[in-house]
Formats: sequence, C-alpha cells, structure tokens
Amino acid sequence: EADIYQTPRYLVIGTGKKITLECSQTMGHDKMYWYQQDPGMELHLIHYSYGVNSTEKGDLSSESTVSRIRTEHFPLTLESARPSHTSQYLCASSDHGQGPPQETQYFGPGTRLLVL
Amino acid sequence: KNQVEQSPQSLIILEGKNCTLQCNYTVSPFSNLRWYKQDTGRGPVSLTIMTFSENTKSNGRYTATLDADTKQSSLHITASQLSDSASYICVVSDRGSTLGRLYFGRGTQLTVWP
Repeated sequence: EADIYQTPRYLVIGTGKKITLECSQTMGHDKMYWYQQDPGMELHLIHYSYGVNSTEKGDLSSESTVSRIRTEHFPLTLESARPSHTSQYLCASSDHGQGPPQETQYFGPGTRLLVL
Repeated sequence: KNQVEQSPQSLIILEGKNCTLQCNYTVSPFSNLRWYKQDTGRGPVSLTIMTFSENTKSNGRYTATLDADTKQSSLHITASQLSDSASYICVVSDRGSTLGRLYFGRGTQLTVWP
C-alpha cells in the first residue's frame, strides 16, 4: 500500500467557489503529479513537480494551479470552480532516484469532484 | 501520434476462469510498459513493468507479455477471483524526455461473477 494521501475523497461544491485538493506523501519522493480522469477515459497529466519550488504544466490544459513548498505536499487549487471541472483528480509520486526505466508512480486514492 | 489502445473495453468472466487483456501501442521511442490495476474509487496500483528486452513478467496470478516488434502486450489472469474485478490500465513510457512521459490506455473493465 502506497503512503500517499488525498483529501477530500469526495467534494460537491457550487460554481464559482475556490477549492483546494490536498495531496501528501510520506515516502520522501521528489516527483509528484496530478492527473485528471473521467469515467472510462485515460488519465491526463495536468501538473507535475520535480521537487520543492518546481512546478510544470502537463499535457492537458487546466485552469488549476499547484504549489510545492514542501517535499511531501502538493496541493491543487481551483480559483473558481465550474461544472466542466467535474472529474476525478489523482495525485501520484515517484522516486527520482530510481530513474527510468524502473521508476514507478504510486497513486493516491483520488478526489471525486462534482461542481454544480 | 503516440497512442495506447486497449481491448476489450469491458469483459465479464466467471470466477475461476482465465482471461487475457490486450494492449497495442504506437509510442516511440519506447522505454517500458506497465500494467496497472485500478479498483473502483481508488488510484491505480502497479502490477508489472517490462522494458524492451523483457518479453514476460509474472506477479502471482498475473502474467504480462511484451512483443516490442509488433508493439503489443497482453495481461493474462489465471484462476480469476472476485477481487480481480477492476479496471486494468496499460501505460507506456517513452524515452523522449527526462520525465519519461507516460501514455495511458483507457483501460479494460473486468468484472468477475461468482
């Protein structure tokens, strides 16, 4: 079982609200990632980080922002939620030291977001 | 275009039976291929990882194969159990960047009935 946690697990919120999805890992991993996944669809990378104070946008354009002030913490923020943001958000981490090709991402349980 | 295609989209089998899931990819250059299991409402968990030189890898009742020439992989599940009900995702990594970009399939939704 991977030591990576996400809160909340489920969130129902109204349009226009600001929300922050939390992600924490206790494995000391350098790399962390945020993915968006709709039902029956593939995961899409929306943000990643190589380490503290490092953040990059992923393949899928997202109106969300992230920060990496501490190694173990990688929160994702939506300033103004919209119904189009309804989705599952998965956080993951990996050990930079492992390096490809053996580097494995460990996923959190996900946050299911519903914006009304 | 780098893509990962999985088939079938969904599969229903009886407990105790075997099944095989397929993954075809066009990702190039190729670094490795992983199979993940994702239970409903949970994050994916890694089952196997294979590099270019490996053509089979086992993890308990799960056996993955890789044919790098035809760019095909399969995941064989032996003596299925109810707990095998999940989505199985094929993920291919390229060597195009230090990030080792991952390409995800849409998964095969497996349901095991008693």
